[in-house]
Amino acid sequence: GDSVTQTEGLVTLTEGLPVMLNCTYQTIYSNPFLFWYVHYLNESPRLLLKSSTDNKRTEHQGFHATLHKSSSSFHLQKSSAQLSDSALYYCALSRYGGSGNKLIFGTGTLLSVKP
Amino acid sequence: EAAVTQSPRNKVAVTGGKVTLSCNQTNNHNNMYWYRQDTGHGLRLIHYSYGAGSTEKGDIPDGYKASRPSQENFSLILELATPSQTSVYFCASGEDANTEVFFGKGTRLTVV
Repeated sequence: GDSVTQTEGLVTLTEGLPVMLNCTYQTIYSNPFLFWYVHYLNESPRLLLKSSTDNKRTEHQGFHATLHKSSSSFHLQKSSAQLSDSALYYCALSRYGGSGNKLIFGTGTLLSVKP
Repeated sequence: EAAVTQSPRNKVAVTGGKVTLSCNQTNNHNNMYWYRQDTGHGLRLIHYSYGAGSTEKGDIPDGYKASRPSQENFSLILELATPSQTSVYFCASGEDANTEVFFGKGTRLTVV
């Protein structure tokens, strides 16, 4: 079945270093929608960025990701980590089910940025 | 900004008791979802709905029921709560999962 894999449970970085959070997926559909949701402590998870276009870079709030269908990947990157980036990051795949679409999430990566 | 409100925000229940988690959204979204969040498992889909009167099983529906009596309201029901259902539960809504899904602030449920 469809699935999303995030291999890192915890990523600890020093402020100013680059961020890369890995995401790979499996789906039978040729046109999947991929998402990154961010969950800050004591807040609601919210959409960070999304894409369905192969090999096109998507950017938002300093983060970027490129959907690569050839490798089934959608890695999240940022050039320089900030303390405020510390949060739980979920990669997600939209999957058609019955009368509409639903989101399938990975296990999440906790990003901890230290001074 | 879509508003998704969950109640209660915290709940302690006894094993074998009935628990109802409520969710209300004010943006007229057709789709609503219930997820549970557990370390190492991420967000897992329990039940979802495409409109009033409809409910569908998600990936981990066992031990849970859902009810969508209106466009605005979507409840998650634990008829016989067990300690394994201790978790943080999130309700979400969206016009379509391919666009954006909006989450509530979560309900922390502890079953003792």
